Amino acid sequence: QKEVEQDPGPLSVPEGAIVSLNCTYSNSAFQYFMWYRQYSRKGPELLMYTYSSGNKEDGRFTAQVDKSSKYISLFIRDSQPSDSATYLCAMRGVDTGTASKLTFGTGTRLQVTL
Amino acid sequence: DTAVSQTPKYLVTQMGNDKSIKCEQNLGHDTMYWYKQDSKKFLKIMFSYNNKELIINETVPNRFSPKSPDKAHLNLHINSLELGDSAVYFCASSQDPRQAGGTEAFFGQGTRLTVV
Repeated sequence: QKEVEQDPGPLSVPEGAIVSLNCTYSNSAFQYFMWYRQYSRKGPELLMYTYSSGNKEDGRFTAQVDKSSKYISLFIRDSQPSDSATYLCAMRGVDTGTASKLTFGTGTRLQVTL
Repeated sequence: DTAVSQTPKYLVTQMGNDKSIKCEQNLGHDTMYWYKQDSKKFLKIMFSYNNKELIINETVPNRFSPKSPDKAHLNLHINSLELGDSAVYFCASSQDPRQAGGTEAFFGQGTRLTVV
């Protein structure tokens, strides 16, 4: 079993829909939680990051972390065709062994259709 | 003024060859990384360096040898290439994540390695 589980999709939604992307994890040492967006043949681009539990909002994007359930989410409001990409969750801890590397989910491919 | 740049972008080579990938960052970060992304898009850490010192070596075969001449550069040399080495290799950088004020990782555009 992987440390971080993420539904690979693909997830297809119409333009304007609210998208919910999720990851679960097993390592309780994880303290920082990130969402990266990766367009085809490009590098991952940091979208959101959150420390510990709680919510964080940035424009159309909201990240939620529930450490008690070991569950994180990314919500995209008013989705646009330009949001079509692979979304990768990533996480790390704070001690030497877990701080200096990101552990990624497998990524969810999102397609927003006109 | 690319933040994390890798060269080459594409690399096609035969089994058994030795090849290098170069990475440079101009963000002033002190920590650099190599990640490997397989055909299923799964990204996995290979190495992490802080101020030229190796921090993480994630059970990578010793055919892979990273070299950090200074904190702005982290190169990856691969000996005796195998078919299974075909993947996309990403360089990344951040401020030391072990310290307060550490930042999250910024990635380069990747090097697509194909071994034939």
